[in-house]
This record gives sequence, structure tokens and C-alpha cells, in this order.
Amino acid sequence: NAGVTQTPKFQVLKTGQSMTLQCAQDMNHEYMSWYRQDPGMGLRLIHYSVGAGITDQGEVPNGYNVSRSTTEDFPLRLLSAAPSQTSVYFCASSTRPGPNVVTEAFFGQGTRLTVV
Amino acid sequence: AQSVTQLGSHVSVSEGALVLLRCNYSSSVPPYLFWYVQYPNQGLQLLLKYTSAATLVKGINGFEAEFKKSETSFHLTKPSAHMSDAAEYFCAVSDGRNTPLVFGKGTRLSVIA
Repeated sequence: NAGVTQTPKFQVLKTGQSMTLQCAQDMNHEYMSWYRQDPGMGLRLIHYSVGAGITDQGEVPNGYNVSRSTTEDFPLRLLSAAPSQTSVYFCASSTRPGPNVVTEAFFGQGTRLTVV
Repeated sequence: AQSVTQLGSHVSVSEGALVLLRCNYSSSVPPYLFWYVQYPNQGLQLLLKYTSAATLVKGINGFEAEFKKSETSFHLTKPSAHMSDAAEYFCAVSDGRNTPLVFGKGTRLSVIA
């Protein structure tokens, strides 16, 4: 069972380039999220999805785009990379929470992105 | 809206000493609370979660946390630190509805031999 798989693990981009960070999960989880991790800032939510075809913005969505065409995949697109987007990106998935149902998030290994 | 405050960005303890990492939360509804650990260059791994079944929650690797509603706290403890506990620890809160986890800024734990 692979869990949450992120690709690539490392990436260097030039300012203005675009790219897609891939995230796939094989646990049939409805919920998927993208976070970025910066020193001293913890994990900040970029975008999330509660099911195929449904996405919403998190705390820091500017400069990023997402779509959710399948339950398994939740790619994150950087439209025009900027040095401020240098960060470590984590994808997470979980089952749907509910009354008295505590669901944990499962994380990928992260993508370390540098924008020069 | 939910929020989490972790007191102390860096905590240093001697091997064998008590580990105490502090977490206070803010939530308009009964919260779901979590502690995650991140080892260098890895993703986050769940340590433990508060399910409302018991206020004292036991997790992996000898860690435990106590939910105190009156203090809005969910501090993480371990009686005796081990070198392998050196990592970054994150407290997180969820309202159990359609929003993802909200994380604190993290506490880096160093263990000194």
C-alpha cells in the first residue's frame, strides 16, 4: 500500500516557469489537501478538496491552481513561479470526518521546490 | 475558525529527561486534536489524536497528551527523552467538518546526550 505519493521529490525552477506537482493516493480518501512548509511558519494550507470535482482555497492560494478530476489525484500547478514560492510542499489525504468520527491526515514525503 | 498556538519554537532536553511540548487551541466547536512528528527530510507522521473518548491519549513511541478543556490545552509529554525523539513536532486542530487540519508553527525538539 503506497499511501500518498508525491512527485517529484526535488525541483529547481526559474522565475516565471510553470510546473505541476503531482499527488496521488491509493486509500480511496475523499479529502485531499496541499500545504507548504516554511521555516518558522509551520504548515499553511494552499488548496483543498472534499471530493472529485470540488476544490476550495486555503490560507495561501495565490499563485497556485488545483483541480480534482479523480478521487486518487490532486495536482498542484504553479502558474508563474516566483522566489517566494521556494518551499517544501506536502500533500495530505484523509477520509471524510463526521460526528464522533476522528479522521487523521496521511502525508506524502514532500516536494522540495527552489525558485531561482 | 480554528487555530493552534505552540509555545516555544525550540525545546532542548537532556537524554532521559521529561519532554513537555505545549499546545493551546482555539475552536468554536468541540475540537479534534492531533500531534504529528516530522523527522528530517520526511513527511509528517501521526503521533496521537484526541477522540473525546478519554482526556489522556497515548500515542506511539511513549508519547502521550492530555486534553484540558478548561485550559484549552493539549500538551505533549514523554517521561524520558531518547536521542531518536529529536524531530519537529506539530499540533493540529480540526472542527470535524469540511475543512482540513490547521497546524501550529511547530516545535523543534533537540535531545542532548
